Amino acid sequence: DIQMTQSPASLSASLGETVSIECLASEDIYNNLAWYQQKPGKSPQLLIYYTSSLQDGVPSRFSGSGSGTQYSLKINSLESEDAATYFCLQDSEYPWTFGGGTKLELK
Amino acid sequence: EVQLVESGGGLVQPGASLKLSCVASGFTFSDYWMSWVRQTPGKTMEWIGDIKYDGSYTNYAPSLKNRFTISRDNAKSTLYLQMSNVRSEDTATYYCTRVTEGNLDYWGQGVMVTVSS
Repeated sequence: DIQMTQSPASLSASLGETVSIECLASEDIYNNLAWYQQKPGKSPQLLIYYTSSLQDGVPSRFSGSGSGTQYSLKINSLESEDAATYFCLQDSEYPWTFGGGTKLELK
Repeated sequence: EVQLVESGGGLVQPGASLKLSCVASGFTFSDYWMSWVRQTPGKTMEWIGDIKYDGSYTNYAPSLKNRFTISRDNAKSTLYLQMSNVRSEDTATYYCTRVTEGNLDYWGQGVMVTVSS
C-alpha cells in the first residue's frame, strides 16, 4: 500500500494569513492526489483533484501543487469558514489511501 | 442535486453481520462507480473499496476484503456494504461516495456503526 504522510497534524493561523499543508507519498503517485475539507459534524468535501484542479464552487484561495511524491495544499487569505480538517487522498493505486489529516484552527 | 443517504448502522455485537445501504438520487446512478469510506472515532479515514457502474467489478482494501462485500442494485439506485464478523476496530462512521474520474466527488452524511458487546 502507498503510505500518505500528512503534515502538520494541526495548525493555528490568523484570518488573512496563508497556510500550506503537505502530503508525502511513499512512492510516486503521478499527480493522482486530491484534497478534502471536513468541517465538524459534516461529511468531507472535495476541494482539489489531480493535484491542482479546483472542484466546482471551491474558492480560488485554495490551490494545490506538487509532483512525484510531494504535494501541498495552499490556502490564501484565510477566512473563518476555512476552519476544518483537511485530508489528502491518493487514487493512483489501489488501495486508495488517505493522509492522517490536518486540523486547521483559526486564531 | 446529488444526494447520498446511508442507513443501516447502529450497535452490533462482535462477530455479527450488518448490511449498510446508500440510496442515491440526483444523478444517473448506473453511470458511476461508487465507493465506501470509513472514518474512525479518532478521525482516521480509510478507503474500503469501490464497485463498477454495472456491478461487474469491485476493488477492496486488502485488510477488509475477506469480511466486507460491496454490491449495488441499479434499479433501486442503491449501494450496499455487507459487513461480516465485525470487530471493535470496525467501529466508525461509514460514508457512501460517488466516484467521478477517480475522485470521490460526493459523500453521504455518513452512518455510524458501533461494535460492542
